Amino acid sequence: KQEVTQIPAALSVPEGENLVLNCSFTDSAIYNLQWFRQDPGKGLTSLLLIQSSQREQTSGRLNASLDKSSGRSTLYIAASQPGDSATYLCAVGGSARQLTFGSGTQLTVLP
Amino acid sequence: GAGVSQTPSNKVTEKGKYVELRCDPISGHTALYWYRQSLGQGPEFLIYFQGTGAADDSGLPNDRFFAVRPEGSVSTLKIQRTERGDSAVYLCASSSGTGTDTQYFGPGTRLTVL
Repeated sequence: KQEVTQIPAALSVPEGENLVLNCSFTDSAIYNLQWFRQDPGKGLTSLLLIQSSQREQTSGRLNASLDKSSGRSTLYIAASQPGDSATYLCAVGGSARQLTFGSGTQLTVLP
Repeated sequence: GAGVSQTPSNKVTEKGKYVELRCDPISGHTALYWYRQSLGQGPEFLIYFQGTGAADDSGLPNDRFFAVRPEGSVSTLKIQRTERGDSAVYLCASSSGTGTDTQYFGPGTRLTVL
């Protein structure tokens, strides 16, 4: 059974810092990996999706990497802003298309 | 275009009652997913539809939970004899079913069982 772990559970940084969120998974036989953002009381917003054959994806200030062999993904956020404050969720897609989620990293960017 | 919508946004019910939660996917998306999210946790998979059929219902916790998608578009998640432990946010997502297969999520239905 796939298990996804996210470290740290919470992170607080001053505005302008670059930061890295970590995600690890136990079964390397994945279909894809998706990073989401969740604001309090809201649904999930897809940030980046990495196919199993890819190593990284970039969108604006966000860069996500994937290392299947070690079961790890990182989400890099450059020049953080207070509006980046949210919970970031990593989700691994298996061959059956369902996503297995981590518990998330709660990010606070202080102005 | 319109995203995934879910109704109601909030539902309060009493233990033992029956509830229905509705999901309207993005138009043209053939794949539809239901997840359940408890406080402080990531969403947990419940069921996946490809078209009208349930391709994978392995996440449904027990036979009190049932979902349908009769015309391959709107889906309804049905919970019988609700229990306090069913209280959670129920999230619906849809995807094209092809290509990158990014899942797009709705805002969720917050279910509270008293």
